[in-house]
Amino acid sequence: DQQVKQNSPSLSVQEGRISILNCDYTNSMFDYFLWYKKYPAEGPTFLISISSIKDKNEDGRFTVFLNKSAKHLSLHIVPSQPGDSAVYFCAASEAGGSEKLVFGKGTKLTVNP
Amino acid sequence: GAGVSQSPRYKVAKRGQDVALRCDPISGHVSLFWYQQALGQGPEFLTYFQNEAQLDKSGLPSDRFFAERPEGSVSTLKIQRTQQEDSAVYLCASSLKRTGGEAFFGQGTRLTVV
Repeated sequence: DQQVKQNSPSLSVQEGRISILNCDYTNSMFDYFLWYKKYPAEGPTFLISISSIKDKNEDGRFTVFLNKSAKHLSLHIVPSQPGDSAVYFCAASEAGGSEKLVFGKGTKLTVNP
Repeated sequence: GAGVSQSPRYKVAKRGQDVALRCDPISGHVSLFWYQQALGQGPEFLTYFQNEAQLDKSGLPSDRFFAERPEGSVSTLKIQRTQQEDSAVYLCASSLKRTGGEAFFGQGTRLTVV
């Protein structure tokens, strides 16, 4: 049973427009959420995170929104750039746990010039 | 080193062979994790160390999988009697904080069992 779900395997947007990547989770014990970006043949790279006590966190072009009641988070990238083309993974960890991350299956983002 | 280093980058093993995968975490990082990533999937947790103590090994798929971090720095993931379903990318990650904080990943070792 997948605890973290990314229901869109792929997303294509035009350069300069907004990219919105979505993630749903089922475990109400999750209290820390992260987004990782992965290029081919490389390990995942940390992008941005949010604690469950917040509903928004912003870092430059990247903003993560958390809706706890809906168990939903989203990553907004604006404006999108061709270099943002990668696989994006949503991940979550549980309060009081071993800090292990539970990942979604990823969404492949393609930003077209 | 500047980042998490894993070796080898690629490993081809014959079914039944034992393999050892190495991870050099970022210097000073307390926490170390191993993940397994199958093709088209997200990384899945295998095991977690805090310094030399293995605090969580709930993700290890069978007793053929064994991990150690004897001096609280370098870690080795060993797989005995490899099987085809063990073929995957094995990712190591480390983090500075004991609780919370993002983990930094290595490039991974791609294991192919033939």
